[in-house]
Amino acid sequence: QQQVKQSPQSLIVQKGGISIINCAYENTAFDYFPWYQQFPGKGPALLIAIRPDVSEKKEGRFTISFNKSAKQFSLHIMDSQPGDSATYFCAASMSAGSARQLTFGSGTQLTVLP
Amino acid sequence: GAGVSQSPRYKVTKRGQDVALRCDPISGHVSLYWYRQALGQGPEFLTYFNYEAQQDKSGLPNDRFSAERPEGSISTLTIQRTEQRDSAMYRCASSLAFRGDHEQYFGPGTRLTVT
Repeated sequence: QQQVKQSPQSLIVQKGGISIINCAYENTAFDYFPWYQQFPGKGPALLIAIRPDVSEKKEGRFTISFNKSAKQFSLHIMDSQPGDSATYFCAASMSAGSARQLTFGSGTQLTVLP
Repeated sequence: GAGVSQSPRYKVTKRGQDVALRCDPISGHVSLYWYRQALGQGPEFLTYFNYEAQQDKSGLPNDRFSAERPEGSISTLTIQRTEQRDSAMYRCASSLAFRGDHEQYFGPGTRLTVT
């Protein structure tokens, strides 16, 4: 089953707070886990990505935590800002074959209040 | 530089008509992907190309859907005899190569409405 489950569906955070979005996957062949950020009227844009050989990756205020045994990964946004308000998608892909078609979660609509 | 472009941005068509959706990838990008995104959902894979060769069309819902990329650049997704259930945002993405962790760059999408 090539499915990625994402929660919560929506999230409201105060400015300066921490936003946490969780994803779980089933297919153990997945070996690349990107997060995409999507603003209204725009296409998804890569935010940060991780491979399962590391448990955490940090880029600025954004951190991915990865738990291979639990088949779960999460996005943490520290010091959340109103400009972070967007829809966030987790995704997964596998290196088998010649391309990286992405399997996406259902998305989390984040609202950061000023 | 220019990103992925798609046209038209909006398409309203009547049930039973054929539609053609165009994707212009980033210049030099080898791989091109088509996804469909329902409202409130993540993009769902349809098909992809490496150069002009269609590598995987397992995500196409049925034989009314087809795609081509004849010269390895611009791609067209065609839906024949459209049905209301085909209404969705159709997104195209391209990546520099088909091996390694190459980022997929998404276009703005074509919003298809079948009435």
